[in-house]
Amino acid sequence: DTAVSQTPKYLVTQMGNDKSIKCEQNLGHDTMYWYKQDSKKFLKIMFSYNNKELIINETVPNRFSPKSPDKAHLNLHINSLELGDSAVYFCASSQAAGVGDTQYFGPGTRLTVL
Amino acid sequence: TQLLEQSPQFLSIQEGENLTVYCNSSSVFSSLQWYRQEPGEGPVLLVTVVTGGEVKKLKRLTFQFGDARKDSSLHITAAQPGDTGLYLCARRSNYQLIWGAGTKLIIKP
Repeated sequence: DTAVSQTPKYLVTQMGNDKSIKCEQNLGHDTMYWYKQDSKKFLKIMFSYNNKELIINETVPNRFSPKSPDKAHLNLHINSLELGDSAVYFCASSQAAGVGDTQYFGPGTRLTVL
Repeated sequence: TQLLEQSPQFLSIQEGENLTVYCNSSSVFSSLQWYRQEPGEGPVLLVTVVTGGEVKKLKRLTFQFGDARKDSSLHITAAQPGDTGLYLCARRSNYQLIWGAGTKLIIKP
């Protein structure tokens, strides 16, 4: 069974559209994350939730809105997509948000905005 | 932001050669993690180092944490094509990981 899964794997859409990416983890972890990896492979944290509560909200346009219906799911909704949103988005989870906790990543969603 | 600098950014070598990649910071960190990311997949944890001077081995990979806990290195002995990937270091800061930009490693058969 996949530990951290994301759907879709690929997403191609027009500028101005609204889209969602779903993430689920079956590891029983308390903390989940969304990262953006740009074309230079730099991983940037966007959001983190611990037990369904937002604990990290980096400087991200408010067009991006995370939603955590339960601690096994953290979805990412993006409004009014822009060309610069094209990137690979990774979901991850960890047991807690403490020192040394391993983060387990999903396979990524490659978003292309045309 | 307490940045992590990784070097080299890109390395392409022949199978069987040895290599070392580095992760440096101007700040002391309590622990450091190394991840490997293969094309089309998410990063996967290789090791966590915590104690200054610590050395950990994972088969042909040797990880070292600097005595002052400001730097770390990853040495691969007799590299194989399966070692190809993006090697990322990360340190913890305020409930999140701060990531280096990575070293892209290609091992040619």
